Amino acid sequence: QVQLQQWGAGVVKPSETLSLTCAVNGGFFRGYYWAWIRQPPGKGLEWIGEINHNGTTNSNPSLKSRVTISVDTSKNHFSLQVTDVTAADTAVYYCARGRDFWSAWGQGALVTVSS
Amino acid sequence: EIVLTQSPATLSLSPGERATLFCRASQSVSRFLAWYQQKPGQAPRLLIYDASNRATGIPARFSGSGSGTDFTLTISSLEPEDFAVYFCQQRYNWPPATFGQGTRLEIK
Repeated sequence: QVQLQQWGAGVVKPSETLSLTCAVNGGFFRGYYWAWIRQPPGKGLEWIGEINHNGTTNSNPSLKSRVTISVDTSKNHFSLQVTDVTAADTAVYYCARGRDFWSAWGQGALVTVSS
Repeated sequence: EIVLTQSPATLSLSPGERATLFCRASQSVSRFLAWYQQKPGQAPRLLIYDASNRATGIPARFSGSGSGTDFTLTISSLEPEDFAVYFCQQRYNWPPATFGQGTRLEIK
């Protein structure tokens, strides 16, 4: 059964870059899309973007210019970077497997933007 | 961007009762709609995909219906563990994939 384990800095200063990584264990890596989704405290869910094992990416137009999603197929990892963060980027960030819908999720990582 | 509007915002019911949750899309999403359950401090869990298909391991008391712009998630007889927040999600017209704002199902 696939497991997604994610990690990254919990506090990021305004205008700096948020970085998170997700490791995929126990399942196929190739053949799937891998996504990042976030949830501000007490609010709803926002799709950030996705990548496949070939490095093909898609991202939310509202974030596109600040988002980079990358993949390391040798480690079955994929990563998210969001540049020039503000308080509005404070959220729990989830990694997930899928494209049309997401059937496996990481545990979530709270990232707080604060000086 | 397709906007998904869920109703009601909060639903108060007792265990054993039937729950009906609604999701309306601002334009047709065909049957490309999913439902998730989220409990406090946990990641969302996929319940239903393609409007009416139960995900692996989801009990039969959960069912989905609808197409086009109007969708329903029904829980036939509420168990104590079903009280949570429920989100609908579409990916028919993207980017971006979008979510509804959620329905909170609470114990009456």
